[in-house]
Amino acid sequence: DVKVTQSSRYLVKRTGEKVFLECVQDMDHENMFWYRQDPGLGLRLIYFSYDVKMKEKGDIPEGYSVSREKKERFSLILESASTNQTSMYLCASSPRDRGWITGELFFGEGSRLTVL
Amino acid sequence: GQSLEQPSEVTAVEGAIVQINCTYQTSGFYGLSWYQQHDGGAPTFLSYNGLDGLEETGRFSSFLSRSDSYGYLLLQELQMKDSASYFCAAGSNDYKLSFGAGTTVTVRA
Repeated sequence: DVKVTQSSRYLVKRTGEKVFLECVQDMDHENMFWYRQDPGLGLRLIYFSYDVKMKEKGDIPEGYSVSREKKERFSLILESASTNQTSMYLCASSPRDRGWITGELFFGEGSRLTVL
Repeated sequence: GQSLEQPSEVTAVEGAIVQINCTYQTSGFYGLSWYQQHDGGAPTFLSYNGLDGLEETGRFSSFLSRSDSYGYLLLQELQMKDSASYFCAAGSNDYKLSFGAGTTVTVRA
């Protein structure tokens, strides 16, 4: 089974702190994604990456950055956390062709971030 | 940009059939996917439609009409374990997958 592991299930941070959310997948997938999920808004794409060191902006990249130094690991960085970034963050991965052709993503369990 | 509309809630009894509609406005539309998410869990992939028509996977079926920018997920023989949120997601040729806001399905005994 594909396993996508997010480092923290729950985090509480203060406004202005730098926050790292880590995601690791064990299936050698090329594509990796970061979404945030908020009630009534569904999942919104923050950033995605289709290869090591490559990154593309999603629909809501402002206030976030990402890093992909190794194929299996995709990190989401909040340079200066703000209260409006309180949310559930979901990481996903997919094989290059199948993921983009079929929209089949494999999600992690999510990281619930609270910014005070 | 991408925009997907789906109903926010549906309630039905065990054994019933539920249809969740999804309309989309997606530039460079590629195909429509469906995901299920139980409370506290990760979204899991259910089905994909790249061509017009019906795709059947056990009790679940999904339909797409490109000309109407419309699709639906059909849940048959509802079971209590089907209580979850269901999301449609539109793939586009800029490699993005955009999700709807989700439909909460509640199955009652």
